[in-house]
Amino acid sequence: GAGVSQSPSNKVTEKGKDVELRCDPISGHTALYWYRQSLGQGLEFLIYFQGNSAPDKSGLPSDRFSAERTGGSVSTLTIQRTQQEDSAVYLCASSPPPLARSTDTQYFGPGTRLTVL
Amino acid sequence: AQTVTQSQPEMSVQEAETVTLSCTYDTSENNYYLFWYKQPPSRQMILVIRQEAYKQQNATENRFSVNFQKAAKSFSLKISDSQLGDTAMYFCAFMKHESSSNTGKLIFGQGTTLQVKP
Repeated sequence: GAGVSQSPSNKVTEKGKDVELRCDPISGHTALYWYRQSLGQGLEFLIYFQGNSAPDKSGLPSDRFSAERTGGSVSTLTIQRTQQEDSAVYLCASSPPPLARSTDTQYFGPGTRLTVL
Repeated sequence: AQTVTQSQPEMSVQEAETVTLSCTYDTSENNYYLFWYKQPPSRQMILVIRQEAYKQQNATENRFSVNFQKAAKSFSLKISDSQLGDTAMYFCAFMKHESSSNTGKLIFGQGTTLQVKP
């Protein structure tokens, strides 16, 4: 079946502009995660959605970052007023519902490389 | 807070040889999961192997096996019969067990770049 998909694959933007990154999880997966991968900070957790529960936003680095998940499926990560330090690869992952097989395993998308000039 | 440490930034191995990647972690949790993920130049993170902390038996997946030492908080990955396609960055990751959902955020190590040489 189809894996996690992310769009765009690459995004170049100017400092101060807003960007939206999209994630389509694997069909039937209830949990969705966003991570950021940068040279200086490695792989960092950003935000986690599980079903209809309130998301865990503990990893968001500032209030310029927000994410939503519509209809329990597609998610959008929005970065407002982008800064050069936001340049990174943004990875999305999803995992199966609780009680399903491999519910603890996260399946990753190919990522979006964001470059802020 | 949990931390994961990979002390080998880069390693190399000859094709068909065996290599071991190190990982240590720090946690006060008793129930958790440990993972090794592989990230080739294509950027796609691929699960290599997983281990549940309550299981004493080391996980194996074909040429990949782990040495899980819970008391020492060590979780090394052994790759046998290395292949050129194993060239990638390898990340060790920790996940606390959440009883309500069996899943949660991953905490990653810094990664080890493995080069398999022909």
